[in-house]
Amino acid sequence: KNEVEQSPQNLTAQEGEFITINCSYSVGISALHWLQQHPGGGIVSLFMLSSGKKKHGRLIATINIQEKHSSLHITASHPRDSAVYICAPNTGNQFYFGTGTSLTVIP
Amino acid sequence: KAGVTQTPRYLIKTRGQQVTLSCSPISGHRSVSWYQQTPGQGLQFLFEYFSETQRNKGNFPGRFSGRQFSNSRSEMNVSTLELGDSALYLCASSLEPRGSGNTIYFGEGSWLTVV
Repeated sequence: KNEVEQSPQNLTAQEGEFITINCSYSVGISALHWLQQHPGGGIVSLFMLSSGKKKHGRLIATINIQEKHSSLHITASHPRDSAVYICAPNTGNQFYFGTGTSLTVIP
Repeated sequence: KAGVTQTPRYLIKTRGQQVTLSCSPISGHRSVSWYQQTPGQGLQFLFEYFSETQRNKGNFPGRFSGRQFSNSRSEMNVSTLELGDSALYLCASSLEPRGSGNTIYFGEGSWLTVV
């Protein structure tokens, strides 16, 4: 049973394209994190959401608690955005993780 | 301000041995959590410590254990290593426990290979 479904699994985009990554979850959450992992392992927490929408630079994250769905958008994508993006719902007691979306942005 | 520091970064162990990994959180952070990442299972939550107490534990066998010291540094131990324990082990810290809504900060991870 997968508590978190993330799509797409792999995504290739041309530089400048608008990108959307989707995450659906089945658990009740206190917050949802979007994580970015570059080759080599290091993980950065991009957003922590409990409602609505957040924006950092070219990145936008939204969440619909009723529909148990979140999206990560990247506007004007750049090759340095190439990474694995992971959705991580947090129930407060347990952290669940999506399988990740591997994004490659081609110059 | 220094980030989350994990040591060692890379290590190779033999089946049956045990291993201890260390995590130094960001100064002032009292919550430390541990995660295992493998190609097959992805990221999985191991356990979380806050003020030297284990708050939550994921679905891992008793061979996986951890502790937290009074200075918030944490160690995790895996005994009787199996080939399937080969993974990237990540530590993360936050000011307060994860459910409180604080941002979490990850270390670079410890790459464990069991042969």
